[in-house]
Amino acid sequence: QKEVEQDPGPLSVPEGAIVSLNCTYSNSAFQYFMWYRQYSRKGPELLMYTYSSGNKEDGRFTAQVDKSSKYISLFIRDSQPSDSATYLCAMSGGNQGGKLIFGQGTELSVKP
Amino acid sequence: NAGVMQNPRHLVRRRGQEARLRCSPMKGHSHVYWYRQLPEEGLKFMVYLQKENIIDESGMPKERFSAEFPKEGPSILRIQQVVRGDSAAYFCASSPDVQGSYGYTFGSGTRLTVV
Repeated sequence: QKEVEQDPGPLSVPEGAIVSLNCTYSNSAFQYFMWYRQYSRKGPELLMYTYSSGNKEDGRFTAQVDKSSKYISLFIRDSQPSDSATYLCAMSGGNQGGKLIFGQGTELSVKP
Repeated sequence: NAGVMQNPRHLVRRRGQEARLRCSPMKGHSHVYWYRQLPEEGLKFMVYLQKENIIDESGMPKERFSAEFPKEGPSILRIQQVVRGDSAAYFCASSPDVQGSYGYTFGSGTRLTVV
């Protein structure tokens, strides 16, 4: 079993749709949870960061962490074609020290 | 304030040659991480360094791969005697703190092709 599981997709939605992206994990020691966006042939870009459980909102993006279920989500409201990218969840903490453990990434396509 | 700088962006090597990948962290960041990304896969941790020290190299292959972060100059990831399976995108990231708790800043990567 992988330490972090993420459905690779691809996921295709029409412009304006609400997108839900999810990851599950097995290491209960994780404390820091992040979402990165990666455009084709570019480096990952930090999108959202959350510490422990709870919600965080930034514009059209909302990140949720449920530590009791070991489940994190990223919601994108009013999706735009420019949101088309691969979204990677990542987490760290506990005995992992400073390194981030990434999910496989979900490829998202928003159609105009 | 430049971000994380990686060079070269693209590197082609023949089997058996050496590949040297360079990474300059963001100003004020003293923690550097190297990750490898194979096609259709997420990023896999390779090594974590601070100035002049390797902190965690649990993701590095035991042979042919080495990394350093000298007191002066960029961090270097070196791959000796490259093989086709080393073809991948190699990303460097930096952070200002030991936990990486605020996330890393990634560079644009070096795409290594072994022919």
